[in-house]
Amino acid sequence: EAGVAQSPRYKIIEKRQSVAFWCNPISGHATLYWYQQILGQGPKLLIQFQNNGVVDDSQLPKDRFSAERLKGVDSTLKIQPAKLEDSAVYLCASSLSDRAYEQYFGPGTRLTVT
Amino acid sequence: GNSVTQMEGPVTLSEEAFLTINCTYTATGYPSLFWYVQYPGEGLQLLLKATKADDKGSNKGFEATYRKETTSFHLEKGSVQVSDSAVYFCALSYGNNRLAFGKGNQVVVIP
Repeated sequence: EAGVAQSPRYKIIEKRQSVAFWCNPISGHATLYWYQQILGQGPKLLIQFQNNGVVDDSQLPKDRFSAERLKGVDSTLKIQPAKLEDSAVYLCASSLSDRAYEQYFGPGTRLTVT
Repeated sequence: GNSVTQMEGPVTLSEEAFLTINCTYTATGYPSLFWYVQYPGEGLQLLLKATKADDKGSNKGFEATYRKETTSFHLEKGSVQVSDSAVYFCALSYGNNRLAFGKGNQVVVIP
C-alpha cells in the first residue's frame, strides 16, 4: 500500500513570495489533514478535510494561507505572501473516516523563508 | 482547553537501558491517548494507543497506561535498541477526531 505522498520535500523562498505544497493521501482515505510543525514543537493542525469539504480550518491564517481538495483526493496548501515565521515543516496526513485517530503522515515539506 | 505536556529535553541513553518518557494531558471529557514516533527522514507513525482509563497500549516492546487519576500516559520500554532512536510525540484526540500533539522528545540510543 502506497503511503502519503508530498512534494516538494524542500523549498527555499524569500519573504513575500508565494509557495504551494501538494499532497496525495492513501487511496480510500476520506479525511485529509495539513499540519504545521515548527522546529522543536509538535505538529499543529491547520486544516482538516472530509472528502472535499472543510471540517475545521480554525487555526489556518486565512489572510495568507489557503488550501483546497477539489476532487476529494489530492490537496494543495498555498502560502501567499510568505513570512519569515512560516519557516516550518508542513505535514500532510490522511485517515479513514471511522478511524480518524490513526493518521498516516507523509514525509513533509521543509519550508525555509529567508 | 485540550493540550499535552511532555518532559523537556532530549533523552540520551545506552543500548539495553530502560526508557521512560513522561506525558501529561489536559482535556475536556475523556480523550483517547496516543504515542506517535518519527524516525529520521520519515513521517510520523502511530506507535500505540489507549482509548479509556486503565487501558494499556503496547507495540514493539513499548507500553503506556492511561492513568485518569494522574492525567498521564507515560511511555516505557524495558530495553532500548539503537533502532529506537527517534522523536516520540504524545497526543490526544478531541472534537471531531482531531489530534493535539506534545512538543516531542528526541531519543538517542548509544551502542
